[in-house]
Amino acid sequence: SAVISQKPSRDICQRGTSLTIQCQVDSQVTMMFWYRQQPGQSLTLIATANQGSEATYESGFVIDKFPISRPNLTFSTLTVSNMSPEDSSIYLCSVERTEAFFGQGTRLTVV
Amino acid sequence: AQTVTQSQPEMSVQEAETVTLSCTYDTSESDYYLFWYKQPPSRQMILVIRQEAYKQQNATENRFSVNFQKAAKSFSLKISDSQLGDAAMYFCAYLKYGNKLVFGAGTILRVKS
Repeated sequence: SAVISQKPSRDICQRGTSLTIQCQVDSQVTMMFWYRQQPGQSLTLIATANQGSEATYESGFVIDKFPISRPNLTFSTLTVSNMSPEDSSIYLCSVERTEAFFGQGTRLTVV
Repeated sequence: AQTVTQSQPEMSVQEAETVTLSCTYDTSESDYYLFWYKQPPSRQMILVIRQEAYKQQNATENRFSVNFQKAAKSFSLKISDSQLGDAAMYFCAYLKYGNKLVFGAGTILRVKS
């Protein structure tokens, strides 16, 4: 199993600012995943973060908007840059072994 | 590409009764995992039940069981003796290890007292 600590749990931000979300895993993992969940929707994969290399972004997501860091095998950050109200969502990190383990999620509201 | 379809946007069940949530998927793989996740208003994704495709026996976890039909690519979740705490969004998900997790659109389950 894996225990993931994600913070902040929620935030309200002004448009045009940036927010960095952190995820800490209790064991070493090769890949960490970042998801966005828009209101009432399913989870959409933003990117896969590998330690020591650039993140791999899914179609529709770009590094300038969602820069990701992966400094070691237990930690990753996702930054939501130059925010607009459309970025209001839940953001979740996860790791996978033979199942996916998720952080508690960050509820972001952009005003 | 793999896809997961949940055809029921919303379901309701009376407390203590049984409800079944539907899920179908599409894959050309033979070895994979299927999951049901529960997401209550707290937004934490909670694993409800897990099925390995190579196992013919349907997974069971207390009041939760699945009907896994590999040939039909169907993976439904049965909740018995429904409780108020079962009210949540339920996601069906597919994983081929080493690939990305694929989620269905979700089913909102409401439990009536």
